[in-house]
Amino acid sequence: NAGVTQTPKFQVLKTGQSMTLQCAQDMNHEYMSWYRQDPGMGLRLIHYSVGAGITDQGEVPNGYNVSRSTTEDFPLRLLSAAPSQTSVYFCASSYSITGQMNTEAFFGQGTRLTVV
Amino acid sequence: AQSVAQPEDQVNVAEGNPLTVKCTYSVSGNPYLFWYVQYPNRGLQFLLKYITGDNLVKGSYGFEAEFNKSQTSFHLKKPSALVSDSALYFCAVSSLSGGSYIPTFGRGTSLIVHP
Repeated sequence: NAGVTQTPKFQVLKTGQSMTLQCAQDMNHEYMSWYRQDPGMGLRLIHYSVGAGITDQGEVPNGYNVSRSTTEDFPLRLLSAAPSQTSVYFCASSYSITGQMNTEAFFGQGTRLTVV
Repeated sequence: AQSVAQPEDQVNVAEGNPLTVKCTYSVSGNPYLFWYVQYPNRGLQFLLKYITGDNLVKGSYGFEAEFNKSQTSFHLKKPSALVSDSALYFCAVSSLSGGSYIPTFGRGTSLIVHP
């Protein structure tokens, strides 16, 4: 199994540009999420989804949009990139048993985004 | 609201010595607790978890953690550290908060094992 696949691995954007970070998982997990990792800040939740057609905001959602049209895919869109969005982005998925998050998360390898 | 604290930004230990990476948490209900490891330029990998039952949990690569409800702690331990254990370690907690079990991660602790 491939697990959680993120593309691209690296990206440089100019301020104001838009782009989509792709995330796909092949484990039939209901729960998927996006985090950003910044030095000294740990992982901060951007958006999450508990199933196809259902998304919700996390701790730092501003400037990002998500959709979940299929169980497998959970893309993250930056509408108008800003230097403050320079970060490493991780997608994660996990199996949710009746909504309880008592199973571990599987992470992608990350996307290192620089906004200049 | 739930929260998790990793009080040490960095832990230094000599190879062969025991190691401890600390984690404390705050939740309003019963917690689900996790440890993850991140090697440079990689995503997080699951090490171990506490859901219920025995307070001592054993995980991958010889790591273990002890759930202490009275001290609201879940410290990660290993009897004998290896240089290859050097990495960034994250503690995470999940509980029924606001109607859903969304996990919260700590800020991470950098473990450096010296030869």
